[in-house]
Amino acid sequence: EAGVAQSPRYKIIEKRQSVAFWCNPISGHATLYWYQQILGQGPKLLIQFQNNGVVDDSQLPKDRFSAERLKGVDSTLKIQPAKLEDSAVYLCASSYGGAGEQYFGPGTRLTVT
Amino acid sequence: GENVEQHPSTLSVQEGDSAVIKCTYSDSASNYFPWYKQELGKRPQLIIDIRSNVGEKKDQRIAVTLNKTAKHFSLHITETQPEDSAVYFCAANLGGKLIFGQGTELSVKP
Repeated sequence: EAGVAQSPRYKIIEKRQSVAFWCNPISGHATLYWYQQILGQGPKLLIQFQNNGVVDDSQLPKDRFSAERLKGVDSTLKIQPAKLEDSAVYLCASSYGGAGEQYFGPGTRLTVT
Repeated sequence: GENVEQHPSTLSVQEGDSAVIKCTYSDSASNYFPWYKQELGKRPQLIIDIRSNVGEKKDQRIAVTLNKTAKHFSLHITETQPEDSAVYFCAANLGGKLIFGQGTELSVKP
């Protein structure tokens, strides 16, 4: 089966600019996650979708981050405006249900200068 | 909320030796504990997982043990090989949300 797809793989922007990431989960997976992984740390959940509804966005900095999952398939994560501390790898993951194995995409490495 | 502590942060072993990584969690309602391996610049990949109704699970050279009373679980890798070198993350699932540990950088020296 095809894995989780993400684009772009790398992005360099200046602070205060905006950026968007795209994720296509594994076909049939109802649950989609966006994680932020800062260098040297474990992934931190930003937002979790079940189909096209938000299950958990408690750690999403809502003043600058937004995410949507229209039609319950693809998802986009946006940062506007970006800060230096947003430099990280943004990982998308999907799972069939909410309590089983999560499959990760290759991630988008964001550098904010 | 859930908190996961992982130790050690770095671990260096000789090829053929065993490696043990330990994690503790705070919320007794957590019911699923996966372990991920992440090679440099790559995505995390699941290597083994255990559910709260099981005390131990083994898959070839890898095993995981869970002590629900003490709220800790461990990853055991036997007969380590250089290709086992990577960062390993434990995680605890609470209500569908995975909370990750800080990671252990394992280095296997030939």
